[in-house]
Amino acid sequence: RKEVEQDPGPFNVPEGATVAFNCTYSNSASQSFFWYRQDCRKEPKLLMSVYSSGNEDGRFTAQLNRASQYISLLIRDSKLSDSATYLCVVRNNNDMRFGAGTRLTVKP
Amino acid sequence: GAVVSQHPSRVICKSGTSVKIECRSLDFQATTMFWYRQFPKQSLMLMATSNEGSKATYEQGVEKDKFLINHASLTLSTLTVTSAHPEDSSFYICSALGQGLSTDTQYFGPGTRLTVL
Repeated sequence: RKEVEQDPGPFNVPEGATVAFNCTYSNSASQSFFWYRQDCRKEPKLLMSVYSSGNEDGRFTAQLNRASQYISLLIRDSKLSDSATYLCVVRNNNDMRFGAGTRLTVKP
Repeated sequence: GAVVSQHPSRVICKSGTSVKIECRSLDFQATTMFWYRQFPKQSLMLMATSNEGSKATYEQGVEKDKFLINHASLTLSTLTVTSAHPEDSSFYICSALGQGLSTDTQYFGPGTRLTVL
């Protein structure tokens, strides 16, 4: 079983749609959780950290369920510029593990 | 914000040659640096973790004699791919954890695309 698993995608949605990504992790000792965004042929960039109580940053909402070892990312009112690959990242001390990523394409 | 640079951004080399990739933290001291490799349409795979002044810790399956890592200063780590072969062609990305910065955040370099002919 992979350490971090994500929805395989791809997701193709129209502008304005709401889209949700899911991620599960296998290491129950994991301490920190993140969503990164990676554009084609570029390095990953931190989108947001994920806190136990859930957190929101504008159109983006992240949720964490430690009991189920599950993380989610919700994007509301999708923009064309949201098109990218979204990586779920799980950290235990200095050990960060990346999911394979979910490709999102937002179409006009 | 914290900036990490990589050089070169792209390199094409012949099979059997060695390639050195530099990773620099430009405005902070990086106590720990990470080297990742990413093949097309796959996730980032951690190759090794390096701490300044000590030997790198390699992930299982990564040959330490083939991928030489040197973290000689708090702002520079290098990855040398020795005797490169076509199967080493990949996107190599470094990242850094910084002193005095949020310990939750890794700062990524822009990556180096290696093509071995």
